[in-house]
Amino acid sequence: AQSVTQPDIHITVSEGASLELRCNYSYGATPYLFWYVQSPGQGLQLLLKYFSGDTLVQGIKGFEAEFKRSQSSFNLRKPSVHWSDAAEYFCAVGDTGGYNKLIFGAGTRLAVHP
Amino acid sequence: GAGVSQSPRYKVAKRGQDVALRCDPISGHVSLFWYQQALGQGPEFLTYFQNEAQLDKSGLPSDRFFAERPEGSVSTLKIQRTQQEDSAVYLCASSFDGSSGYTFGSGTRLTVV
Repeated sequence: AQSVTQPDIHITVSEGASLELRCNYSYGATPYLFWYVQSPGQGLQLLLKYFSGDTLVQGIKGFEAEFKRSQSSFNLRKPSVHWSDAAEYFCAVGDTGGYNKLIFGAGTRLAVHP
Repeated sequence: GAGVSQSPRYKVAKRGQDVALRCDPISGHVSLFWYQQALGQGPEFLTYFQNEAQLDKSGLPSDRFFAERPEGSVSTLKIQRTQQEDSAVYLCASSFDGSSGYTFGSGTRLTVV
């Protein structure tokens, strides 16, 4: 069965520091992969997605993610974090054989210290 | 509209009440999903519509949950005889073709007391 693991429940970084959020997935074929961000009381905003091609994907707000098939990973990175990046981040895998139903990880809550 | 609109934003229901949650997708979007997000968890799939056809309802947790999209646009998620375990945020998402990522609404927070 498809699954997504986000090993870090909470991460705290200082403003201006670099960030990496981990995501591991289980899927039988090459998956569709997504990162979403959720601010308190808000819906999910798509940061970036990977369907095929270049394994390094650029997204909005200065985020990028790298698909590593050998490690079944799709980690999210940002070189310099801003206070406004504090939010909950969700990795998701989509069903490529159907209509792209999403399976989400449990999320990583990011706190940013000034 | 410009985005996916959900109403109400907050709903408090007494245990045993029926509730109806509304989703207005982006105009022209064929695909529509409902997800349930419990506190501190990631969203979990409930059901999927392609136009007015409900193609997948495998995530609905019980027969108290019912969803419809009669004209292929607005969708309603109905929960009958609400229970405390139904307390969650219910998210709706829509997409033009399902392959380009989904736009999520802000959700309806349901609290059953």
